[in-house]
Amino acid sequence: DIQMTQSPSSLSASVGDRVTITCRASETIINFLSWFQQKPGTAPKLLIYGASILQTGVPSRFSGSGSGTYFTLTISSLQPEDFATYYCQQGYGTPQVTFGGGTKVEIK
Amino acid sequence: QVQLQQSGPGLVKPSQTLSLTCAISGDSVSSNSATWNWVRQSPSRGLEWLGRTYYRSEWNSNYAVSVEGRISINPDTSKNHFSLQLNSVTPEDTAVYYCARIISAAGINWLDTWGQGTLVTVSS
Repeated sequence: DIQMTQSPSSLSASVGDRVTITCRASETIINFLSWFQQKPGTAPKLLIYGASILQTGVPSRFSGSGSGTYFTLTISSLQPEDFATYYCQQGYGTPQVTFGGGTKVEIK
Repeated sequence: QVQLQQSGPGLVKPSQTLSLTCAISGDSVSSNSATWNWVRQSPSRGLEWLGRTYYRSEWNSNYAVSVEGRISINPDTSKNHFSLQLNSVTPEDTAVYYCARIISAAGINWLDTWGQGTLVTVSS
């Protein structure tokens, strides 16, 4: 199975900060990488797919980059509604999709 | 807009069978560009893909090694839904279970739609 490693596992930030989360794959996944946001008690919400394609309706302060084994999710100016847990997910090693361990973004 | 609506019991006894259903609206379980998946989430295992069913001229299914032999995912075209059965459950199967759609286009695939989630507790 392809393993996905996220870092950091948690971070504290203030409204307006620029935040970057990284995700590494154990082998190349080309650009089959998605990012999700999850708030307590709700299902994950798709933010970005294809490593850098913004899902319809997602604010432009979210962006993704990377290819191969190294990927990043950046929030350019953190908003109050962005405090949540973020997950990366690979879809290259189908059928077995795998997720990162998550990054919890908390208020400083 | 595609929506997935889950149903099924939230409490299952050890050694019994966990059964959940996912009703699809806005798409077809027989779609040639989608697969229909089950994912679970627990504090100990994180987000874990369990398996999928999909139609490409014939019906196919694939399962995670961690649950293979205990799991079955089946479509029902008359009701436009798909179901999960997980046999011989133990407390380690306690988790929030999600159904989810993965779509394929332009050479990539992505998981774009989730059900609302069902907390299933395995306990006597």
